[in-house]
Amino acid sequence: DTGVSQDPRHKITKRGQNVTFRCDPISEHNRLYWYRQTLGQGPEFLTYFQNEAQLEKSRLLSDRFSAERPKGSFSTLEIQRTEQGDSAMYLCASSLVGGDTEAFFGQGTRLTVV
Amino acid sequence: KQEVTQIPAALSVPEGENLVLNCSFTDSAIYNLQWFRQDPGKGLTSLLLIQSSQREQTSGRLNASLDKSSGRSTLYIAASQPGDSATYLCAANMDSNYQLIWGAGTKLIIKP
Repeated sequence: DTGVSQDPRHKITKRGQNVTFRCDPISEHNRLYWYRQTLGQGPEFLTYFQNEAQLEKSRLLSDRFSAERPKGSFSTLEIQRTEQGDSAMYLCASSLVGGDTEAFFGQGTRLTVV
Repeated sequence: KQEVTQIPAALSVPEGENLVLNCSFTDSAIYNLQWFRQDPGKGLTSLLLIQSSQREQTSGRLNASLDKSSGRSTLYIAASQPGDSATYLCAANMDSNYQLIWGAGTKLIIKP
């Protein structure tokens, strides 16, 4: 399978705990994006990387959220001190550079904060 | 600020019918527009990408059109099948950085 993969698929955590998600993009894609989606809504942009550089962060991304892409390949998204409002589907996508290219999404990580 | 709207929020049709899903956007200065399919609790599958210079794209039973001047895109599904049941989302790409602006989706149910 050469698509975008995310791990884990599901995560249940207690409020206040830290969680980390991983995304492995399509190997030749140099751009990687994180989105968050709540039930019944379209995804919301969180942040994106070009190679290892984090080029933009949404104002939705509070100080409790941090994302890395240390070697320009896989990326991690960490949420510290989780809150119930963080419960959502976290989606990762990758693409080549250039606005005319297509973004491919992973299956997402479903986070439930109890 | 770009806003993307999809109406209706839900649609139920008998199997075999042709149908049209609508997507409207407020800012016509889009780079491209992409249609996605999402099955319950799953990620997004890209269906069609239309560049701003194009009028339509076709893939199998799917045809997507783009009219920038009116701020509209449509996804036409021919000869619908129960397996087409899913939520369909459209997303406008406003710049080369690919920060997509999304509609909330249309939940489609095809009744056998």
